[in-house]
Amino acid sequence: TQLLEQSPQFLSIQEGENLTVYCNSSSVFSSLQWYRQEPGEGPVLLVTVVTGGEVKKLKRLTFQFGDARKDSSLHITAAQPGDTGLYLCAGRGTGAGSYQLTFGKGTKLSVIP
Amino acid sequence: DVKVTQSSRYLVKRTGEKVFLECVQDMDHENMFWYRQDPGLGLRLIYFSYDVKMKEKGDIPEGYSVSREKKERFSLILESASTNQTSMYLCASSDRNLYEQYFGPGTRLTVT
Repeated sequence: TQLLEQSPQFLSIQEGENLTVYCNSSSVFSSLQWYRQEPGEGPVLLVTVVTGGEVKKLKRLTFQFGDARKDSSLHITAAQPGDTGLYLCAGRGTGAGSYQLTFGKGTKLSVIP
Repeated sequence: DVKVTQSSRYLVKRTGEKVFLECVQDMDHENMFWYRQDPGLGLRLIYFSYDVKMKEKGDIPEGYSVSREKKERFSLILESASTNQTSMYLCASSDRNLYEQYFGPGTRLTVT
């Protein structure tokens, strides 16, 4: 069974601070995705990383896939209140029949104005 | 713009009732999924379907069934609702390229 551990579970920071969220596993993934979910809504896809070592940027958000494709990080620069939400990482296995994703339990971020 | 819709945002049902949750996607995706989300437990996969009329059990299928008669529609059925099925239910779909999942807005189900 593949597991994805996210840390920290909760994060409360002041507007303008930087932060990093981690997603770790002992399993190799063919791709890894990050989602953001606001209260009462479904998760929204932010980015997909596929290649080991890959770095993608989305405005103030930087996503990195580990070289061995077992871990990933999300770094937010100068956090804004609009970044508040639940951040989920999800990995797709390497098997041919891997239709589904393994989700982490999420990091709940609160950015205080 | 990709779109996954769910039949209800909020639903209140009584114990023992049969409950239908409908999900429709307009992206021509092959794969569709039903999850429930509970505080502290994260997203848990109930069932998924990789083709019309095909279904596979996820991690917590007990007490649920599904139906996929058309490619765009995936239904979740609670045969006899119980209070422990009170939860947020999320539907998602994905293609077979990057397998990125697109979620609906969710249905908050309360069983009393």
